[in-house]
Amino acid sequence: DIQMTQSPSSLSASVGDRVTITCRASQSISSYLNWYQQKPGKAPKLLIYAASSLQSGVPSRFSGSGSGTDFTLTISSLQPEDFATYHCQQSYSTPLTFGQGTRLEIK
Amino acid sequence: QVQLQESGPGLVKPSQTLSLTCTVSGGSISSGGYYWTWIRQHPGEGLEWIGCIYYSGSTYYNPSLKSRLTISVDTSKNQFSLKLSSVTAADTAVYYCASDLGNDYGDHNWFDPWGQGTLVTVSS
Repeated sequence: DIQMTQSPSSLSASVGDRVTITCRASQSISSYLNWYQQKPGKAPKLLIYAASSLQSGVPSRFSGSGSGTDFTLTISSLQPEDFATYHCQQSYSTPLTFGQGTRLEIK
Repeated sequence: QVQLQESGPGLVKPSQTLSLTCTVSGGSISSGGYYWTWIRQHPGEGLEWIGCIYYSGSTYYNPSLKSRLTISVDTSKNQFSLKLSSVTAADTAVYYCASDLGNDYGDHNWFDPWGQGTLVTVSS
């Protein structure tokens, strides 16, 4: 199985901050990496697919980069609605796997 | 716009079989191009891919659950289902259905959209 490791596990930040979350795969997954946002009691929502493509309707302050084993999700200027948990997920091979999640909290 | 909705019992007794159904609306399961997927999330934890099925019947299962798992599709009802046998408290989780853009050659992509999720508790 491909292990996905996110860092940090939790993060405190303020509105307007630039935030970066990292996801590392245990082996190369090319660009088969997706990012999801999950708010309490809700289903995850697709933000970024194929490492760097912005899902339709997602604000442009979200961006993704990376390939191979190292990936990042960047929020350029945090908005109040961005405080949530973020998950990375690899679609390179089954079993499809997720990172453990990064909880983004208000400072 | 495709929408998914999970349904099934919220409480299952230990050793019994957990059964859930996902109803797809706004699109046809038979049209192809998607793996119909089950994902779960233990309370306060991360997400775990359970498995998926293509409309043709091809399935992919998480090896950690494979011996207890059956995923099936009913194209006439535009539904797909999950059966997990011999459940224990460790199977208590929120269960989500989702669509995964893919093909019948085993190529997977991303999960979108998702159902709202349903909490299943395993307890006597």
